[in-house]
Amino acid sequence: EIVLTQSPATLSLSPGERATLSCRASQSVSSYLAWYQQKPGQAPRLLINDASNRATGIPARFSGSGSGADFTLTISSLEPEDFAIYYCHQRSNWPFTFGQGTKLEIK
Amino acid sequence: EVQLVVSGGGLVQPGRSLRLSCAASGFTFTNTWMSWVRQAPGKGLESVANIKPDGSEKNYVVSVKGRFTISRDNAQNSLYLQMNSLRAEDTAVYYCVRGGGNYAYWGQGTLVTVSS
Repeated sequence: EIVLTQSPATLSLSPGERATLSCRASQSVSSYLAWYQQKPGQAPRLLINDASNRATGIPARFSGSGSGADFTLTISSLEPEDFAIYYCHQRSNWPFTFGQGTKLEIK
Repeated sequence: EVQLVVSGGGLVQPGRSLRLSCAASGFTFTNTWMSWVRQAPGKGLESVANIKPDGSEKNYVVSVKGRFTISRDNAQNSLYLQMNSLRAEDTAVYYCVRGGGNYAYWGQGTLVTVSS
């Protein structure tokens, strides 16, 4: 099973700042890496698929990069609605696995 | 508009069974892989099972293999998860998800609580 390790566990920032979230895989997942945002009481929302492709309707301030085993989600300028939990997810090998999440909180 | 409406959750005793259903609309169900993803209270996400469009291929996470069965009825645009021999650790919100691994659309989730 591929283990995804996200860092940091919690990120405290202010609106307008830049957020950088990391996801490291225990082995290569090629570019089969996605990022999801989840707010309390809601289902996750797909932000980025295949490492760097923004999903439909996702604002341009969200961007993804990386390949192989190291990936980054960047939010260029935080909006109040961006404070949430972010998960990375690999679909390279079954079982498809998620990282443990990064909580992005308001400083 | 893609809609995934999940039903069938609730409180169940350990060792008993429960069947989840997901009614899909707004896309061509018969051409689409489907999945179940769960989230234990306050915890992260776990891909439980997925199924090929024609039902000929199914994958399960190790922790549910032999106990859970994913199935579909393409005539009814419906996805199912039959859960047998339920354990306390199966307590979670269960999401019906469009796709085999690219999870662009999620249902609202249904809470399954396994407790005596």
